[in-house]
Amino acid sequence: AQRVTQPEKLLSVFKGAPVELKCNYSYSGSPELFWYVQYSRQRLQLLLRHISRESIKGFTADLNKGETSFHLKKPFAQEEDSAMYYCASNTGNQFYFGTGTSLTVIP
Amino acid sequence: GAGVSQSPRYKVAKRGQDVALRCDPISGHVSLFWYQQALGQGPEFLTYFQNEAQLDKSGLPSDRFFAERPEGSVSTLKIQRTQQEDSAVYLCASSYPRTGGAVADTQYFGPGTRLTVL
Repeated sequence: AQRVTQPEKLLSVFKGAPVELKCNYSYSGSPELFWYVQYSRQRLQLLLRHISRESIKGFTADLNKGETSFHLKKPFAQEEDSAMYYCASNTGNQFYFGTGTSLTVIP
Repeated sequence: GAGVSQSPRYKVAKRGQDVALRCDPISGHVSLFWYQQALGQGPEFLTYFQNEAQLDKSGLPSDRFFAERPEGSVSTLKIQRTQQEDSAVYLCASSYPRTGGAVADTQYFGPGTRLTVL
């Protein structure tokens, strides 16, 4: 079965510092990878997907098939980035989510 | 436009009671997903509908869980004889496949129903 691992449950960085949220997946095929975000008192929403190769709110994520990773990065963290971040993978009809990383950006 | 809505937002049930959770997807969205999110965990896939057809129910934890979407829009997740381990937030998401019925499209999530079983 697929598995998505987010090793850090909590991550704190200072405003303006770089941030990297780690995600590793286990699947021998070619899954689609996503990052979802949940801001305080808001619903879960898509942040970005690897197939789009886009930058959203300054965040990027590169799929590294050799390391089976899809880490989320931003060069300069902002206070409004504080949220819960979930990495997810999809094959077929199913989506698999990681356990999430709570990011706090310290002013 | 209106997003995905779920009702009730909160449900408290005594162990052994049956509960029904409702999801109203975004109008026109073909795909509908149910997830279970336990405290401190990520969402776990339960089941998937394409229109009224339940194409995947492999994530339902037991035969006490049943989901339906009879007219291809509103969906109901029913849990019979609730147990304490069923306590969780139940999330519904819908999406409109962009091409060829692809499943992996942007999912729009509802606010969830928080179920507490005493």
